[in-house]
Amino acid sequence: DVQLTQSPSSLSASVGARLRITCRASQSIGNYLHWYQQKPGKAPKLLIYFASTLETGVPSRFSGSGSGTDFTLAVNGLQPEDFGTYYCQQSFSTLGTFGQGTKVEI
Amino acid sequence: QMKLQESGPGLVKPSDTLSLMCNVSGDSVNNNNYFWGWVRQPPGRGLEWIANIFYSGTTYYSPSLKSRVAISVDMSKNQFSLKLSSVTAADTAVYYCARIGTGTCRGDCRPLWGQGTLVTVSS
Repeated sequence: DVQLTQSPSSLSASVGARLRITCRASQSIGNYLHWYQQKPGKAPKLLIYFASTLETGVPSRFSGSGSGTDFTLAVNGLQPEDFGTYYCQQSFSTLGTFGQGTKVEI
Repeated sequence: QMKLQESGPGLVKPSDTLSLMCNVSGDSVNNNNYFWGWVRQPPGRGLEWIANIFYSGTTYYSPSLKSRVAISVDMSKNQFSLKLSSVTAADTAVYYCARIGTGTCRGDCRPLWGQGTLVTVSS
């Protein structure tokens, strides 16, 4: 199984700050890596798919990069509504796996 | 545009079998661009992938749940389903159905999820 390790596990940041979350895979997964934002009581919301493609309707302050084993989600100019838990997910292997999540407090 | 919608009982008794359906609209479960899967999230915890199925019927299961879980596709109803047997309180979770693009996917290959359904295991 492909294991995903996210860091940090939590962070507190100010409005306007630049945020970076990393996701490391236990083996090369190409660009089969997706990022989600989840708020309490809600389903995960797709932000970035295939490592760097911005989902329709997601603000351009969100961006994704990386390939192989190392990936990054960046948020430039953090907004109050960006609080929540962020997950990476791989679809390279026949059964998907998730990172453990990064809880973001504003 | 494709949409996924979970349905099933919200309360299941311990030792019973949990059964959920995912209705697919806007496309066919027979589309070979996609896997169909189930994910769950216990209250206050992270996300866990349970199972995938390909349109051909090939299945993939989480090793930790493999002995208790079954996923299947009903092409006549354009649905796929999850059955989890011998449930305990530890199986209480929000269950999501999902669409995942295969390695040979063409067109809209991004992941797509349902809104989720809470299943509580309690007597």
